[in-house]
Amino acid sequence: AQSVAQPEDQVNVAEGNPLTVKCTYSVSGNPYLFWYVQYPNRGLQFLLKYITGDNLVKGSYGFEAEFNKSQTSFHLKKPSALVSDSALYFCAVREEAGSYQLTFGKGTKLSVIP
Amino acid sequence: DAGVIQSPRHEVTEMGQEVTLRCKPISGHDYLFWYRQTMMRGLELLIYFNNNVPIDDSGMPEDRFSAKMPNASFSTLKIQPSEPRDSAVYFCASRRTGVNTGELFFGEGSRLTVL
Repeated sequence: AQSVAQPEDQVNVAEGNPLTVKCTYSVSGNPYLFWYVQYPNRGLQFLLKYITGDNLVKGSYGFEAEFNKSQTSFHLKKPSALVSDSALYFCAVREEAGSYQLTFGKGTKLSVIP
Repeated sequence: DAGVIQSPRHEVTEMGQEVTLRCKPISGHDYLFWYRQTMMRGLELLIYFNNNVPIDDSGMPEDRFSAKMPNASFSTLKIQPSEPRDSAVYFCASRRTGVNTGELFFGEGSRLTVL
């Protein structure tokens, strides 16, 4: 079985400061990892993914994520937060050799304070 | 290209009524997923289809829920009879086999309120 944990329900950060949204995962084999963002009253939008290769993955809107196999983590990061980054962020995982269904975390609400 | 299209965007109904939610996936996508989002339970996978065939419906909460995909461009999620605890946002998502391993494209969602 595959699972995702996002330990923080909410993260607050000041505009211009670096941000981190945490994610840990559990799968039987090699993981495929994803981050999605949801703005109010909208659907989820793809941000970035890790499949293989470089552990640091760059995505949309200046976001990046670091895959750490030993810690089974895939934390989302951005060097300088914008107020417009305020949204709900979801981490998701599927197993490389598994079915096509993604398992999502419960989401972390990011608030960037001006 | 148009994204995943869902209708209605908002639905308010009374307990016991039938509710039908609709989804048009992105053209060429062969996987379609129905998710439900609530504050308490987060994002839950209800059912998914591959080439119009239901593959896994283990997330469907009970027999009041049913989903169909009569063709590659249309799917419905039906709740009959509806109950207040069904109030949630229902998302449809689609993807294409063999393209970069799993990125899902989501619709804007259908917000259901059952009174």
